[in-house]
Amino acid sequence: EPEVTQTPSHQVTQMGQEVILRCVPISNHLYFYWYRQILGQKVEFLVSFYNNEISEKSEIFDDQFSVERPDGSNFTLKIRSTKLEDSAMYFCATLGVENTEAFFGQGTRLTVV
Amino acid sequence: GEDVEQSLFLSVREGDSSVINCTYTDSSSTYLYWYKQEPGAGLQLLTYIFSNMDMKQDQRLTVLLNKKDKHLSLRIADTQTGDSAIYFCAEKSDSTLGRLYFGRGTQLTVWP
Repeated sequence: EPEVTQTPSHQVTQMGQEVILRCVPISNHLYFYWYRQILGQKVEFLVSFYNNEISEKSEIFDDQFSVERPDGSNFTLKIRSTKLEDSAMYFCATLGVENTEAFFGQGTRLTVV
Repeated sequence: GEDVEQSLFLSVREGDSSVINCTYTDSSSTYLYWYKQEPGAGLQLLTYIFSNMDMKQDQRLTVLLNKKDKHLSLRIADTQTGDSAIYFCAEKSDSTLGRLYFGRGTQLTVWP
């Protein structure tokens, strides 16, 4: 069973600090996504990434956020200066060429204090 | 924007069937998904259905799609205590490059 791997599973950071969340997508998948889930709320789309560039982003994905695929395997989400309201579970997801099954990682729980 | 709605809670007795319902607004939806989330865990893809189908069965899971009413349901036969989790409905259209729109999730509690 293919899987999406995310690290770390839990990160605690001080407000104003930078964090980088990492994801290893399924190897032959081409479309990558970040979503977040604030406790008790909906899973919200942040950004999609295809062919080494952002293809779509939501209003949540402001200048404090960035994504990249630095080495062709890891897919990262960086938050430059974290705020309390960035505390959430962050999920990486990938979609294959068939564009059907969207697989999610186990998530990174980010706690900003 | 697209909206996906689910009831928040469902309680059933072990051995009974569970039916979790979902409505959506996007008429261009191509795929509809059901994900399961256990406490503290990620989103596990349970099943999905293509919009030109009206039913899909996978072991204990049956997905029904009424495209006219934009209504999706997930039936779990012979529900077990291990099925207790949050179930998310999500939809995707080709116009959104794979972006999924999620409902709030239905908390299923199974009583022994």
